[in-house]
Amino acid sequence: KAGVTQTPRYLIKTRGQQVTLSCSPISGHRSVSWYQQTPGQGLQFLFEYFSETQRNKGNFPGRFSGRQFSNSRSEMNVSTLELGDSALYLCASSLELAGASGANVLTFGAGSRLTVL
Amino acid sequence: GEDVEQSLFLSVREGDSSVINCTYTDSSSTYLYWYKQEPGAGLQLLTYIFSNMDMKQDQRLTVLLNKKDKHLSLRIADTQTGDSAIYFCGNTGNQFYFGTGTSLTVIP
Repeated sequence: KAGVTQTPRYLIKTRGQQVTLSCSPISGHRSVSWYQQTPGQGLQFLFEYFSETQRNKGNFPGRFSGRQFSNSRSEMNVSTLELGDSALYLCASSLELAGASGANVLTFGAGSRLTVL
Repeated sequence: GEDVEQSLFLSVREGDSSVINCTYTDSSSTYLYWYKQEPGAGLQLLTYIFSNMDMKQDQRLTVLLNKKDKHLSLRIADTQTGDSAIYFCGNTGNQFYFGTGTSLTVIP
């Protein structure tokens, strides 16, 4: 079956611009979570969506937002880009919400690498 | 919130065993995970362990869990150059938590 698809894979923006990243989860997966990966910081949790509702949010400013559509596809948006937003943005899908009973395996996309100049 | 810590780098010779360590703070985690990230790719699940287990073996991989000390380790036997990657441990509370990742370099 098709994996998690993220688009675009690479993009370059300038400070002050905004960006929208897209994530198509594995068919049947209802949860989509987003992460920012930077060298030395590991994976920082951004937010998790389930059934079109944001269920959890990490410690990021309000410039970072997201949404989920009825087909479980998700987008995240970053407004007023800063140099420090340069990172690999990963999305992951899973059958259930984080914390659900049973092993809840995440399937990751390849990421969208954002460079802010 | 949860804090998951890993050492940043590990270097081993091909054929040796690699041991990657992880400590966490959330004792309510029921499952703990190991993911692998190869260059230019997302994370891929390697294995996971239920919190009431002490050990899980899967081919060259052995996971050890010390719940009392909140310590998780991943041992890779007969490490190969293809094992060079970043390894993340993770667990789930109300969200997924990951460590900073350990970059494993295998020297031929």
